[in-house]
Amino acid sequence: DIQMTQSPSSLPASLGDRVIITCRASQDIGDYLRWFQQKPGRSPRLMIYGAINQAAGAPSRFSGSRSGPDYSLTISSLESEDMADYYCLQSKESPFTFGSGTKLEIK
Amino acid sequence: QVQLQQSGTELVKPASSVKISCKASGYTFTSNYMHWIRQQPGNGLEWIGWIYPGNGNTRYNQKFDGKTTLTADKSSSTAYMQLSSLTSEDSAVYFCVRGGLPGFDYWGQGVMVTVSS
Repeated sequence: DIQMTQSPSSLPASLGDRVIITCRASQDIGDYLRWFQQKPGRSPRLMIYGAINQAAGAPSRFSGSRSGPDYSLTISSLESEDMADYYCLQSKESPFTFGSGTKLEIK
Repeated sequence: QVQLQQSGTELVKPASSVKISCKASGYTFTSNYMHWIRQQPGNGLEWIGWIYPGNGNTRYNQKFDGKTTLTADKSSSTAYMQLSSLTSEDSAVYFCVRGGLPGFDYWGQGVMVTVSS
């Protein structure tokens, strides 16, 4: 199975900060990488697909990038509504696998 | 508008089975994969498998093979997931999610399954 190593697991940050969350794939997954935001008691929300494409309705401060096996989700200027859990997902190969998650919280 | 409406909370006994539903609307049900995701309390997300309602083809995460059966009813645009031989480990929230492109863009509200005697 492809392992998605996500870091950090917890990220204290201040409003207005630029934050970066990273997933490293254990094998080549090309651009088959998505990012999700999940708030407590809610279903996950697609933010980025194809590694770099913004999902419909995702705020423009969210962006995705790739460097080799490393995939990043960047929030350019943190807002209070961004406090949530974030997960990456690879869908290159079955079984699809998620990263372990990053809890983004106010410092 | 695309909607995935899942069935309600389940409280079930160990060793029993449960079947939860996911009714799709607002798009062509038979032309998109439907994925199922598990989230155990306080834990992350796990991919269970997919079904292609157009032809009934399925693909399972080996971890859930034998535990889970995915089916779909084209006439009612409803996908189903049956969980069998339930244990406390199966207590979780289960989501259905539309596949395709971009895929994983529409999620059901989740069904909480609690396994308890």
